[in-house]
Amino acid sequence: AQSVTQLDSQVPVFEEAPVELRCNYSSSVSVYLFWYVQYPNQGLQLLLKYLSGSTLVESINGFEAEFNKSQTSFHLRKPSVHISDTAEYFCAVRKSDKLIFGTGTRLQVFP
Amino acid sequence: SAVISQKPSRDICQRGTSLTIQCQVDSQVTMMFWYRQQPGQSLTLIATANQGSEATYESGFVIDKFPISRPNLTFSTLTVSNMSPEDSSIYLCSVEDPAVYGYTFGSGTRLTVV
Repeated sequence: AQSVTQLDSQVPVFEEAPVELRCNYSSSVSVYLFWYVQYPNQGLQLLLKYLSGSTLVESINGFEAEFNKSQTSFHLRKPSVHISDTAEYFCAVRKSDKLIFGTGTRLQVFP
Repeated sequence: SAVISQKPSRDICQRGTSLTIQCQVDSQVTMMFWYRQQPGQSLTLIATANQGSEATYESGFVIDKFPISRPNLTFSTLTVSNMSPEDSSIYLCSVEDPAVYGYTFGSGTRLTVV
């Protein structure tokens, strides 16, 4: 079975500080992992994904995530956050052509 | 990438009534997915809709409550039947999008049942 765990329901940080949003998965087969972002009152946007190849994947807005098979993790990081990064972040794993989501992490960036 | 048009964007409905949500994709896709996002919660998959066959429902969701149509490869509807306040949620459709090797989501339908 595949499932996704996001341990942190909320992460408050100050602007320009680094941040890490944690995601762990459980799977006995090959995994495809995703991070989605949901800005207030908006739909879901794909932030980045891991399908195969390089274990470090990056997004266009400075986020990156590293697939770690030994630790079954896919943590999301950004070295310096902006106020505009305030949003809900969802980790997801593909299971039988479907996406299964974690419970989400609310990133709140303060000035 | 695929573009999904979902409507209505929001609605306020009386309990006991039904609402049909439409999802239109600008390209042909094999599978379409319907999710529910309850207030302050994550996304839960309701069902997978394949063209030409019955939808496949996840545990806890039944066809009588959430009937789904999939008449062609670009369109699907989800009906929320006999609504109660507990059905107040955001409902989203999604497709697997080969162009981005991922999944694209509609903007969602924010449903409030009073």
